[in-house]
Amino acid sequence: GAGVSQTPSNKVTEKGKYVELRCDPISGHTALYWYRQSLGQGPEFLIYFQGTGAADDSGLPNDRFFAVRPEGSVSTLKIQRTERGDSAVYLCASSLRLAGGEQFFGPGTRLTVL
Amino acid sequence: AQKVTQAQTEISVVEKEDVTLDCVYETRDTTYYLFWYKQPPSGELVFLIRRNSFDEQNEISGRYSWNFQKSTSSFNFTITASQVVDSAVYFCALSSYSNYQLIWGAGTKLIIKP
Repeated sequence: GAGVSQTPSNKVTEKGKYVELRCDPISGHTALYWYRQSLGQGPEFLIYFQGTGAADDSGLPNDRFFAVRPEGSVSTLKIQRTERGDSAVYLCASSLRLAGGEQFFGPGTRLTVL
Repeated sequence: AQKVTQAQTEISVVEKEDVTLDCVYETRDTTYYLFWYKQPPSGELVFLIRRNSFDEQNEISGRYSWNFQKSTSSFNFTITASQVVDSAVYFCALSSYSNYQLIWGAGTKLIIKP
């Protein structure tokens, strides 16, 4: 079956611009996670959803970052007033359940802020 | 606080050698889950295994095996008869009932030389 998909695969933007990154989870997976990964490091947690609600957004670095999942499936990560430090690969994962469920990852969106 | 340590930054072996990747974790939760993921040069994280804290049985899957020892808080991963296709960055991760997000180690870059 189809895995987690993310669009776009690459996004280049200028400092100060607004970007949206999309994640389409595996069908039937109620839990959805966003991470970001900088070169040479492990993923860093941003936010996760159970259904439509953000169960934990403690990893969002500041109020320029926001994520939604209005219908409990597709999620969008929104970044306002991008900064060069936001450049990273943004990863989305989904799982059948929150507690202990294996998370399946999408290919990521590589964001470059010039 | 929860933490995962992968002390080996990079390991290089010749094809067909056995190699063990170390993972040490810290958590105060009694119910927790440990994971290994593979990240090949293509970049997509691939789920390998999940263990829960109540199951200390070692697991073998083909050339891969995992040794979970609660007494030393370790969850080590061994590849037997390594192959060039095993070259990747391998991450160990932890989650629990009090923290559903994955806490990641820094990763071990494994290089298998022909």
